[in-house]
Amino acid sequence: DAKTTQPNSMESNEEEPVHLPCNHSTISGTDYIHWYRQLPSQGPEYVIHGLTSNVNNRMASLAIAEDRKSSTLILHRATLRDAAVYYCILRDYSGAGSYQLTFGKGTKLSVIP
Amino acid sequence: DGGITQSPKYLFRKEGQNVTLSCEQNLNHDAMYWYRQDPGQGLRLIYYSQIVNDFQKGDIAEGYSVSREKKESFPLTVTSAQKNPTAFYLCASSIAYTGELFFGEGSRLTVL
Repeated sequence: DAKTTQPNSMESNEEEPVHLPCNHSTISGTDYIHWYRQLPSQGPEYVIHGLTSNVNNRMASLAIAEDRKSSTLILHRATLRDAAVYYCILRDYSGAGSYQLTFGKGTKLSVIP
Repeated sequence: DGGITQSPKYLFRKEGQNVTLSCEQNLNHDAMYWYRQDPGQGLRLIYYSQIVNDFQKGDIAEGYSVSREKKESFPLTVTSAQKNPTAFYLCASSIAYTGELFFGEGSRLTVL
């Protein structure tokens, strides 16, 4: 799998937007960009994914650079419940290699009341 | 409700003992996975299974074993050969290699 690079930690004030960056300069044409988040002592949960176009869902928005070498997860209004570790991973939809997913350290988001 | 159930949530083991962690899913997913997480670290893949009666090693399979006799069940055995087994273990499933992963709540193993 291609690698991703994320900042170790970020802070945000409550009710303000948060932009979580992810670099994936070696992304291939069949790699989808997936985001998960993990609250303390829980399993990760799926947030959003995309290929080329920006994507929105009830949890967040995903902005993908035109060259696909970077992406940004956008939380429109941070709440205390959004404090978690956010993982950006690439998933190859071309074949069986997509099963071998390893999550890096991610970005630990702290939300300040 | 559909989901993944891991048990036990907490487990203590003496050195030299094998222990089996249970993972059951009722999502009708073909693929299942086991991950290990150490404090402050990301998730590392131990084993994965694409289909019943088939499984493959992940990045850190040494000292672990799995079976996949039923679609809904993927138990993980931590053997005495695993040198540093104290960790948080997470089970996940997905429809196929393109589907999102659904995770269980994890099992925290402590070796005394």
